[in-house]
Amino acid sequence: GAGVSQSPSNKVTEKGKDVELRCDPISGHTALYWYRQSLGQGLEFLIYFQGNSAPDKSGLPSDRFSAERTGGSVSTLTIQRTQQEDSAVYLCASSPRLAGGANTGELFFGEGSRLTVL
Amino acid sequence: AQRVTQPEKLLSVFKGAPVELKCNYSYSGSPELFWYVQYSRQRLQLLLRHISRESIKGFTADLNKGETSFHLKKPFAQEEDSAMYYCALSGPSGYGNKLVFGAGTILRVKS
Repeated sequence: GAGVSQSPSNKVTEKGKDVELRCDPISGHTALYWYRQSLGQGLEFLIYFQGNSAPDKSGLPSDRFSAERTGGSVSTLTIQRTQQEDSAVYLCASSPRLAGGANTGELFFGEGSRLTVL
Repeated sequence: AQRVTQPEKLLSVFKGAPVELKCNYSYSGSPELFWYVQYSRQRLQLLLRHISRESIKGFTADLNKGETSFHLKKPFAQEEDSAMYYCALSGPSGYGNKLVFGAGTILRVKS
């Protein structure tokens, strides 16, 4: 496959609805990240998956946000009871692992899912 | 805690002028620093990393541990350099090191 694939590319929803955003990482990449990109806030870390380790959820802004990664590949970011302040571009990235297990530090980003909450 | 500060939201320069995008970081250990770039309508992508000590598209960045800085520099700006630039930091390569980004700086190169 080409690169990291995200869907949907655009999502408009009403306040209070739940949304799911999907990320297909590059095959073989063990690390997967979710970031939120919004004007004035830059690139905000949300969650990080690394192989079979417990995910680093330290960036999730509230318990309305959750993410899972099935089979070490596809990931879904779920936002429950969306609020207008959730409007942003949600970026997914994946990263390969070097021989020996270290991360390279180079992230390959998707094109993002633009979420608009009315 | 990991923190990256990019003090300028927007930097506007004329073509041919020198460019310096500032980045300061906070990290208790030995960090790895990166610059990422996002051109208009393109994906965010890696520009350079400090451990490689390389020059990419004429840009260089030196890690200054004393000043905890990793400023991005180019001696002569080109119009095609106009983009959003993000400085990023992680702990030493290994398991469980997330990448934390700064707020970004928009570079506009005017003709």
